[in-house]
Amino acid sequence: GQQVMQIPQYQHVQEGEDFTTYCNSSTTLSNIQWYKQRPGGHPVFLIQLVKSGEVKKQKRLTFQFGEAKKNSSLHITATQTTDVGTYFCAGPTGTASKLTFGTGTRLQVTL
Amino acid sequence: DADVTQTPRNRITKTGKRIMLECSQTKGHDRMYWYRQDPGLGLRLIYYSFDVKDINKGEISDGYSVSRQAQAKFSLSLESAIPNQTALYFCATADRGNQPQHFGDGTRLSIL
Repeated sequence: GQQVMQIPQYQHVQEGEDFTTYCNSSTTLSNIQWYKQRPGGHPVFLIQLVKSGEVKKQKRLTFQFGEAKKNSSLHITATQTTDVGTYFCAGPTGTASKLTFGTGTRLQVTL
Repeated sequence: DADVTQTPRNRITKTGKRIMLECSQTKGHDRMYWYRQDPGLGLRLIYYSFDVKDINKGEISDGYSVSRQAQAKFSLSLESAIPNQTALYFCATADRGNQPQHFGDGTRLSIL
């Protein structure tokens, strides 16, 4: 079945450093979604990318969808302690209404 | 989202017990999902439903069952709980295909 892997599994940065998580799918995706889960919280939708090569920005966060639509990345510029959490990518499986979530990247930011 | 409510928030029970986790939503979404979260494994789909008469197995449905009592309610049952079902369980909803999913606050389940 479809697999969605993320690397790294965990990253610890100093506040102000940049951070990137990478998402790779075993199959071509029609779109990819990104979610953030704060410690003790639930996943919250961040963004959806649909087009090959698409780049979207949300303040300090930059999301990219690969040309082959099999990979994606999330880059955070100048991390802040509010960025702490686990970031998941997710892509549709089979029917469009079912998602396969990546394994997640847990980000820790210290002062 | 407060629009997706899960009960209970925490539950500790013993092996062999029957447990029901409940999810209700006020978002008016047709699609509802149950996920299980384990450290390092991300979110894995247990069951999903596109409407009241539609129930589908996810990737890890063994040992679980569900009931869609109404558009707004989707319950997950563990008929005979076992310790490796200890996990964090999330309910989610979506409006239609390819739309973002909205998660409840989760139920932390411990089976001794």
